Amino acid sequence: DAGITQSPRHKVTETGTPVTLRCHQTENHRYMYWYRQDPGHGLRLIHYSYGVKDTDKGEVSDGYSVSRSKTEDFLLTLESATSSQTSVYFCAISDPSGGTQETQYFGPGTRLLVL
Amino acid sequence: GNSVTQMEGPVTLSEEAFLTINCTYTATGYPSLFWYVQYPGEGLQLLLKATKADDKGSNKGFEATYRKETTSFHLEKGSVQVSDSAVYFCALSDPNNNDMRFGAGTRLTVKP
Repeated sequence: DAGITQSPRHKVTETGTPVTLRCHQTENHRYMYWYRQDPGHGLRLIHYSYGVKDTDKGEVSDGYSVSRSKTEDFLLTLESATSSQTSVYFCAISDPSGGTQETQYFGPGTRLLVL
Repeated sequence: GNSVTQMEGPVTLSEEAFLTINCTYTATGYPSLFWYVQYPGEGLQLLLKATKADDKGSNKGFEATYRKETTSFHLEKGSVQVSDSAVYFCALSDPNNNDMRFGAGTRLTVKP
């Protein structure tokens, strides 16, 4: 299994509060991704990173920001959480140079509830 | 844009039954195609993949063939087990822009 951890694994917060989720990898993969999983929608890409300090928006980026100051860490921040951001958040990694281009490996997920 | 449509669930089968989960895609280029599986409380795990037309991906008794003419990548297994109960996601990846799109997922329950 790819070495990917997410923290926290579960979080309950109130509307309007900031929330930061952390993804940590030990695989030295270049690409990292944040997805949200909601019933009926599968997984939707929020943001991704293609290197340290290099990030780009995904399909559902509004209300989210990301930062990547080290290869191994990718942070997702909800600046002011809303109830519509209640979801399960997954981090993923991939390494185009590793011969398994495009295959993404997923973390265990963070379940976020915004009250 | 690229998109994936997969068969709606839930699907309930008896042990040893034949499984098919349909997946079709829309893409502008030549994507790679994937099936991921998600067991309860866990993240997604790669089940199999195919990177070009007519390729067959296989793993753990599951198979899927990349059909460009029908833009499909249907998942099949000849004899399912209770342990195959999970949610299955079809996905495609455009190698030109690192864009991966997922289907909505199909929940499979296998009963003894």
